[in-house]
Amino acid sequence: GENVEQHPSTLSVQEGDSAVIKCTYSDSASNYFPWYKQELGKRPQLIIDIRSNVGEKKDQRIAVTLNKTAKHFSLHITETQPEDSAVYFCAASPGNDYKLSFGAGTTVTVRA
Amino acid sequence: ETGVTQTPRHLVMGMTNKKSLKCEQHLGHNAMYWYKQSAKKPLELMFVYSLEERVENNSVPSRFSPECPNSSHLFLHLHTLQPEDSALYLCASSQATGYEQFFGPGTRLTVL
Repeated sequence: GENVEQHPSTLSVQEGDSAVIKCTYSDSASNYFPWYKQELGKRPQLIIDIRSNVGEKKDQRIAVTLNKTAKHFSLHITETQPEDSAVYFCAASPGNDYKLSFGAGTTVTVRA
Repeated sequence: ETGVTQTPRHLVMGMTNKKSLKCEQHLGHNAMYWYKQSAKKPLELMFVYSLEERVENNSVPSRFSPECPNSSHLFLHLHTLQPEDSALYLCASSQATGYEQFFGPGTRLTVL
């Protein structure tokens, strides 16, 4: 089955700086890669996703890049703000399948 | 009530008790999921229902028993649980398999 590894497990950044989280996956059939944000005590919520027919996708301060050859994808948050503090999860799926395999999560802390 | 709801939000039970978790989605989705979230571990997919049929049982012990009476409701029946089953149990739904999953707030389960 799919194995998703996520790094780093914790990340502390100064407000205004950028944050980068990296994930690798094992199943070359995976073609859907969502990112979820989970604030303390709240439910995970999708913040951005990418499918394998594109290499990069942006939404305001958030971007995701995908390298299918190397089987890794990354989340980039620019101009970080305190409200970006949360746990971020990457996931991978064959896309037409129900199985989402999640990474272990990255706890991001934005220091004011 | 909109989105995905779960009850109860918190549950404490002994190892000999029988209890049930309830999930309801108001999004008109066709697929529903149960996940287990333990500290420092990836989200673990437990069960998937698509159009009220179970399509995945991810090697979950029989002390967890799911039920999906219709496309809007999903239950997780619990009996003779172990302390290591203590975790946050998240329900999710999606339009179909392979689409964005919307999570409920979770049930925080403690097994004494």
